[in-house]
Amino acid sequence: KAGVTQTPRYLIKTRGQQVTLSCSPISGHRSVSWYQQTPGQGLQFLFEYFSETQRNKGNFPGRFSGRQFSNSRSEMNVSTLELGDSALYLCASSLNGRVDYEQYFGPGTRLTVT
Amino acid sequence: KNEVEQSPQNLTAQEGEFITINCSYSVGISALHWLQQHPGGGIVSLFMLSSGKKKHGRLIATINIQEKHSSLHITASHPRDSAVYICAAPFPSGGSNYKLTFGKGTLLTVNP
Repeated sequence: KAGVTQTPRYLIKTRGQQVTLSCSPISGHRSVSWYQQTPGQGLQFLFEYFSETQRNKGNFPGRFSGRQFSNSRSEMNVSTLELGDSALYLCASSLNGRVDYEQYFGPGTRLTVT
Repeated sequence: KNEVEQSPQNLTAQEGEFITINCSYSVGISALHWLQQHPGGGIVSLFMLSSGKKKHGRLIATINIQEKHSSLHITASHPRDSAVYICAAPFPSGGSNYKLTFGKGTLLTVNP
């Protein structure tokens, strides 16, 4: 089985722009979660999608949004980029998002905002 | 407040040494995850456990639900074990939903 894939792997954007990141989960997995990792804050939960519905959301401003398609692929969007949005963005898929199911992480997208 | 604390933050060992990384959390949980992150960013799930002990090769994870504490042990450490090890706990976030809260990670360096 192919693993979780994320595109693009690296991205450089300018403050004020918007960006869209993509995540393709493992085949058969219906839950996709997104995380932000920064040196200062570590890993933080952004949101989780299950069957095209946002089921859970972390403490991030409304500039961060996402969606999930019928094939379980997910995108996250950040509008009006700020310097502090520079981070590694990771997605993880699991069978159904339950806490006792293992999560499989993608390689991440490294976003640099200048 | 839902918190996950890890210790130590940094750990340097000689090849062959026995390694222990600790994780404590603030409220009762149903399962705990141990993750490994190598330079470059990729994260691999090592263990998910809800009770007792799990073993995979030279890695052993234990959890004590009553004491809200988990440990990750590496036996006969090797330079390729050098990575950041992160524990994560799912805390309730409303209804039947949970979200993973992560420790700050332990940077392990194993010297040959």
